[in-house]
Amino acid sequence: EVQLLESGGGLVQPGGSLRLSCAASGFTFSKYAMTWIRQAPGEGLEWVSAISGSGAATYYADSVKGRFTISRDNSKNTLSLQVNSLRAEDTALYYCARGDVRLRSGYYYIPFDIWGQGTMITVSS
Amino acid sequence: IQLTQSPSSLSASVGDRVTITCRASQGISSYLAWYQQKPGKAPKLLIYAASTLQSGVPSRFSGSGSGTDFTLTISSLQPEDFATYYCQYLKSYPLTFGPGTKVDIK
Repeated sequence: EVQLLESGGGLVQPGGSLRLSCAASGFTFSKYAMTWIRQAPGEGLEWVSAISGSGAATYYADSVKGRFTISRDNSKNTLSLQVNSLRAEDTALYYCARGDVRLRSGYYYIPFDIWGQGTMITVSS
Repeated sequence: IQLTQSPSSLSASVGDRVTITCRASQGISSYLAWYQQKPGKAPKLLIYAASTLQSGVPSRFSGSGSGTDFTLTISSLQPEDFATYYCQYLKSYPLTFGPGTKVDIK
């Protein structure tokens, strides 16, 4: 079964750090781009960061650039997100998701077709 | 790219035809996806490339549009379709989401 399982969330003080992990199973992890998306309580979805299948390319939302670092270990089928200098506005449920390349009418699309259940970060003193 | 959705919420009955609109701040060709999210659950991919149905998604869901204006249609609303729906820009980073449209029971 194709599955993503996040872990590592928790309660942290402003300015603190955490390392989120996403364990992948049921597919060839290295062939897929992966992404982190977050959702603040009662709010919508916010894309946070993405990484290519090889790990060579990384991308960040402006709101987290310089504070968050995405990485992956393809030998362990694991995606990570190091979150530093946390702020109250980083409080959210953090999902990892798989980006699956689809070819349609000669163009490539990369929708997020598999999602984990999320891990919660609460930033509060 | 900014995405707006309308309406932000709607009330409908089982069997109703429901239409949700997503508008992009500039032309994005067909680089749009739609997701469904139920309370306490992760989002689920419904449609990508504006109109291509994800495998396993019921055919009552359809998508249309290109450029700046897109539509998600549920042809006959079922009890399991009450949820929040998000559009998402697919072409380049940042991969923006729309603010969501909540569909609840009338």
